Amino acid sequence: KNEVEQSPQNLTAQEGEFITINCSYSVGISALHWLQQHPGGGIVSLFMLSSGKKKHGRLIATINIQEKHSSLHITASHPRDSAVYICAVGTSGSRLTFGEGTQLTVNP
Amino acid sequence: DAGITQSPRHKVTETGTPVTLRCHQTENHRYMYWYRQDPGHGLRLIHYSYGVKDTDKGEVSDGYSVSRSKTEDFLLTLESATSSQTSVYFCAISQGLAGETGELFFGEGSRLTVL
Repeated sequence: KNEVEQSPQNLTAQEGEFITINCSYSVGISALHWLQQHPGGGIVSLFMLSSGKKKHGRLIATINIQEKHSSLHITASHPRDSAVYICAVGTSGSRLTFGEGTQLTVNP
Repeated sequence: DAGITQSPRHKVTETGTPVTLRCHQTENHRYMYWYRQDPGHGLRLIHYSYGVKDTDKGEVSDGYSVSRSKTEDFLLTLESATSSQTSVYFCAISQGLAGETGELFFGEGSRLTVL
C-alpha cells in the first residue's frame, strides 16, 4: 500500500464547478505539500501546510492531522486549472513521499 | 518564479554512455534535490544536497552520483546510462528541508531517453 493515496485519479468538471481532490496518508507527518503540474510538465508548489487551512485565490487546502487526510479545493473552476495535482507528505528531513497525482480536466 | 534552470532539457543517448544533468539556481537556497518522474510512480528522490560538498542518497540512488561544488550548481551524473534510467528528471530547491519546513521550487525538467 502506498503511503500516500490520492483520489480521484481522474476528474472531469465543467467550468465554474467546485472541485475537491483528496489525499490520505498512513504515517505521521511533519508537512504536506500540494503541487500542480502543468500540461507542459512544469511543477509549481501550491501549498505547504502542517495544520489547519490555507487559502490562495480560488484554491483552499485543508489538513486533518488526526484523520491523516488533506483536501485541495478549487472554487469556480476554470479550464486553466486543468493540470495534474500532486500531494506529497514529509515525514522527516529531506524525505517526501509523493502521491501519483490527480488529473483534472475542466471543460468550458 | 524561482530562478532554477536545468540543462539539457532534452537528451537522447545510448546505453553505456555517461550523462550529466545540470541544475543551476540563483536563489541561494541551501537544499537542492534531484527527482525522477515515471508513469505509475510518484516523484522519487535520487539524491539531495544540504550544502556545498554535502550530499546524501535518496530512495532510488543506484546508478547515479551527484556533486555540488558551488551553492548554485547541483550536477546529476549517470556514469553508464541504462534504459531503465529513461525518465524525466526534475531539480528542486528549498530553503528548509522539504520534509519539514521547506517549500519546494522546481526546475522545468529534463527528459532523458536511453536507447
